[in-house]
Amino acid sequence: GAGVSQTPSNKVTEKGKYVELRCDPISGHTALYWYRQSLGQGPEFLIYFQGTGAADDSGLPNDRFFAVRPEGSVSTLKIQRTERGDSAVYLCASSFTGASGYTFGSGTRLTVV
Amino acid sequence: AQKVTQAQTEISVVEKEDVTLDCVYETRDTTYYLFWYKQPPSGELVFLIRRNSFDEQNEISGRYSWNFQKSTSSFNFTITASQVVDSAVYFCAAGETGTASKLTFGTGTRLQVTL
Repeated sequence: GAGVSQTPSNKVTEKGKYVELRCDPISGHTALYWYRQSLGQGPEFLIYFQGTGAADDSGLPNDRFFAVRPEGSVSTLKIQRTERGDSAVYLCASSFTGASGYTFGSGTRLTVV
Repeated sequence: AQKVTQAQTEISVVEKEDVTLDCVYETRDTTYYLFWYKQPPSGELVFLIRRNSFDEQNEISGRYSWNFQKSTSSFNFTITASQVVDSAVYFCAAGETGTASKLTFGTGTRLQVTL
């Protein structure tokens, strides 16, 4: 597609529920990244994929967070047993290589009530 | 590990004024990347510039210019003749070398340009 697409744009869920956030990168971009941005803060790195594999998942805060990219294109960020502290904007980005500037999506605003 | 500091939380200027956004970084890497991104009210992060640590040449793009000084670990961003459309949050970020896979962002500077 023309840009990085993230769905849904907004998600409200109850504490303890499971959520999935989807990212559709720019066609041909092999690198895909997930970041989390809390209110008034800069984005924080979560995980990076090169192709289908997670090249760096050091930013995932705990084992409730998991991400996949099974065919090297679309990625899904999965959060189990959501907590109120998970509320944030989850940003996805893609690039041809990590060294080029990323293209970010508009993000998914997750609110855990 | 890298750290990026943007000490200016918010700046307000009147249109046509010049404004400089400060960025100071810390890294133990000998080579690294530095970035600036713009986040308008719509929320999408827009890439502005990437600079490699071995290239200290300043860069100008239209009304935008960047001053990279390794001696002071700074990568400042100047907007000349600011316009209302420049109103946004601006983030400075540092990236690891090789793949620059992981970016460390500063907390951002909110720029408000008024008429």
